Amino acid sequence: KQEVTQIPAALSVPEGENLVLNCSFTDSAIYNLQWFRQDPGKGLTSLLLIQSSQREQTSGRLNASLDKSSGRSTLYIAASQPGDSATYLCAVYSWEYGNKLVFGAGTILRVKS
Amino acid sequence: NAGVTQTPKFQVLKTGQSMTLQCAQDMNHEYMSWYRQDPGMGLRLIHYSVGAGITDQGEVPNGYNVSRSTTEDFPLRLLSAAPSQTSVYFCASSPAGTGNYEQYFGPGTRLTVT
Repeated sequence: KQEVTQIPAALSVPEGENLVLNCSFTDSAIYNLQWFRQDPGKGLTSLLLIQSSQREQTSGRLNASLDKSSGRSTLYIAASQPGDSATYLCAVYSWEYGNKLVFGAGTILRVKS
Repeated sequence: NAGVTQTPKFQVLKTGQSMTLQCAQDMNHEYMSWYRQDPGMGLRLIHYSVGAGITDQGEVPNGYNVSRSTTEDFPLRLLSAAPSQTSVYFCASSPAGTGNYEQYFGPGTRLTVT
């Protein structure tokens, strides 16, 4: 069974700091990995999608890497801002587990001004 | 594009009542799905559809029914609401269910069953 774990569960950092969020998955047979952002009481916003053949994707201050063989992904946020405060979720898509994304529990990020 | 829209935003039901959560997308996506989000459980797939007229069960389908008569709409029906169905429900869509595409989520429906 595919399981996705995110570490840390919560993180509080001062504004301007660079930070790394970690995601690990138990079965490396994935099609893609997607990082989402969720603001309190809101839906999920897609941040980055990494296909299984890719090593990383970048969007603005965000960089996500994927190491399929070790079952790990990291989301790097550069020069964090208070507006980055949210819950960050990673999810993997594996055909063997049906047509679904398997989600981690998320990392709650707070950036203090 | 409005993207993925869901109605209502909030709903309170009594045990045993039935209702339909609406989901629509205007991106001509073939794949649509319903998830529920519960504290400590993450998001879990309820039902999904790979195209009009085709639906299938996900991880937690009991107590829910779906149909897909058009590409745009994918309603979720609660047949007889139970307190265990108190949750936040998200609808998502994607160009296809092959795993090569991003999934786009709606804003969610917060359901409370008393």
